Amino acid sequence: DAKTTQPPSMDCAEGRAANLPCNHSTISGNEYVYWYRQIHSQGPQYIIHGLKNNETNEMASLIITEDRKSSTLILPHATLRDTAVYYCIVTFGDQFYFGTGTSLTVIP
Amino acid sequence: DTEVTQTPKHLVMGMTNKKSLKCEQHMGHRAMYWYKQKAKKPPELMFVYSYEKLSINESVPSRFSPECPNSSLLNLHLHALQPEDSALYLCASSQEDFVAKNIQYFGAGTRLSVL
Repeated sequence: DAKTTQPPSMDCAEGRAANLPCNHSTISGNEYVYWYRQIHSQGPQYIIHGLKNNETNEMASLIITEDRKSSTLILPHATLRDTAVYYCIVTFGDQFYFGTGTSLTVIP
Repeated sequence: DTEVTQTPKHLVMGMTNKKSLKCEQHMGHRAMYWYKQKAKKPPELMFVYSYEKLSINESVPSRFSPECPNSSLLNLHLHALQPEDSALYLCASSQEDFVAKNIQYFGAGTRLSVL
């Protein structure tokens, strides 16, 4: 079973930052937070992952709270192509399960 | 090359047919996965292969039969499917260490319709 809670949907204006929250209050010490997205009719795409430090790559930033019970994925300048379902997954090793995700709509 | 190729893209089959889905990757990944995704639902893990051996079977009915003939190929053999098996079938691959195995590369999927 998924161990995360995400809002079912969010809107974001094009060019603005999209901040997608994820609650994972039962995360254990060795579990990582992974973010994926799935654009309509495509396979999921890995975005970023982290353990306890904030992470940034060319796609996004991941902010993990100090108690690790929640995290936020930040898309700094959202474009229409970022419209997708975003999944937050907490796991270590073989237990990799998608939750229901957040459907992000970027509005022109 | 970070591509996972799935064929066919679309498949229509009757309940008495036998068909196979194919998946190929050339990233040197030693873990490969099959997922099933129904409309407006998240992907559900079906099978995991690690070093060409089946390591996880998520209680999938026997009408789905996976096969990993080598480290680059993954097949899913279908037989006597039911209409409720209609879905998008996704293949993924990853490295095998505990962190990187959850950085999975997905194919575009095979959209299966069972009549």
